[in-house]
Amino acid sequence: AQTVTQSQPEMSVQEAETVTLSCTYDTSESDYYLFWYKQPPSRQMILVIRQEAYKQQNATENRFSVNFQKAAKSFSLKISDSQLGDAAMYFCAYRGRSQGAQKLVFGQGTRLTINP
Amino acid sequence: NAGVTQTPKFRILKIGQSMTLQCTQDMNHNYMYWYRQDPGMGLKLIYYSVGAGITDKGEVPNGYNVSRSTTEDFPLRLELAAPSQTSVYFCASSYYLAGGPEQYFGPGTRLTVT
Repeated sequence: AQTVTQSQPEMSVQEAETVTLSCTYDTSESDYYLFWYKQPPSRQMILVIRQEAYKQQNATENRFSVNFQKAAKSFSLKISDSQLGDAAMYFCAYRGRSQGAQKLVFGQGTRLTINP
Repeated sequence: NAGVTQTPKFRILKIGQSMTLQCTQDMNHNYMYWYRQDPGMGLKLIYYSVGAGITDKGEVPNGYNVSRSTTEDFPLRLELAAPSQTSVYFCASSYYLAGGPEQYFGPGTRLTVT
């Protein structure tokens, strides 16, 4: 079974600085998706960024980028120019790509605090 | 286009009571899911459905039942509520494609069992 591990329960960063959240995963599949979701106090799950395992290029979305290391099974999220609105729980998630394997496996989450 | 909607937003149950959490999506997604999120934890899959009339167990199905009579609706039934079912429940949906997109989540239902 696939597992996702986030080893940082909490992180904090000064506003406008850069922070990196870590995620590792375990799978025997060769093709899959990885995601970072943001959960603000409203509880809504918001997709931040997605990476397809077959793509070597790291995904970027504005101030958010990932460092995807397939051999090391590592998928970290970098947030540049941190803003107060980035404060939230961040979850790393895995999804296999084979037929029927549509389920998401989540990590435990990292609570990110932004200091003004 | 409302996306994924869930009702109710909050509910308090007494031990042994039953209830149904409603979930509806208007995106014509064929896959639907129920997750629970315990305090300070990630989401765990309870049940999922690949289409009307087809459901399957996830990681933590005990104490729950589901049905999928239409593409749009995927209700979650709690029978004989227990304190261990105190959690936030999320419904989600997605397309099935070989390279399908991400799951879209509802706003969640906070359930307390006392």
